[in-house]
Amino acid sequence: DLQMTQSPSSLSASVGDRVTVTCRASQGISNSLAWYQQKPGRSPNLLIYAASTLQSGVPSRFSGSGSGTDFTLTITSLQPEDVATYYCQKYNGAPTFGPGTKVEIK
Amino acid sequence: QVQLVQSGAEVKNPGASVRVSCKASGYTFTDYYFHWVRQAPGQGLEWMAWMNPANGVTDYAQKFRGRVAMTRDTSINTAYMELSGLRSDDTAVYYCARDGNRPTPPFDLWGQGTLVTVSS
Repeated sequence: DLQMTQSPSSLSASVGDRVTVTCRASQGISNSLAWYQQKPGRSPNLLIYAASTLQSGVPSRFSGSGSGTDFTLTITSLQPEDVATYYCQKYNGAPTFGPGTKVEIK
Repeated sequence: QVQLVQSGAEVKNPGASVRVSCKASGYTFTDYYFHWVRQAPGQGLEWMAWMNPANGVTDYAQKFRGRVAMTRDTSINTAYMELSGLRSDDTAVYYCARDGNRPTPPFDLWGQGTLVTVSS
């Protein structure tokens, strides 16, 4: 079965910092990769799909890259409202989520 | 307003069944697929099931086959997920989410979540 991994599992950064989260698929998934943001007590929210396409309404400080097995979510300037857990997801076929990365403010 | 509204929290005994509903509004119900995803307390997201509401075709994660069933009522734009043989580790928030044909975005709309607590 395909597995999705993420690193780090958590991070703490200062407001304005550049933050990078990595996601790896155990086998190639082309660009069928999405990123979700989940704030405490809330439903997940789609940020990016097709590895690098920004969902409508999502701030441009979020970006995604990668293809095949290795993917990256970048927040170019971390804001207080970005405190959340971020999940990657392979979405074609049987969807599979990564374990999540918790982002906090230092 | 485009939204998915789920039914309220449930408390069930071990061995019982639970049915959670997801009512769609603001778009054509049969134009998008439905998924169910759950999240145990303090844990990550786990995909459970998929349905095409246009024809009722379903697919279930291997882990849940035999215990989960998705149905829909197109007359009231509502999808349902029923989970049987409940155990304590089924305690979780259950989410519905819609999904479209590619290249439309996946999982672009989520319900508010339904907490199912399994306890004796």
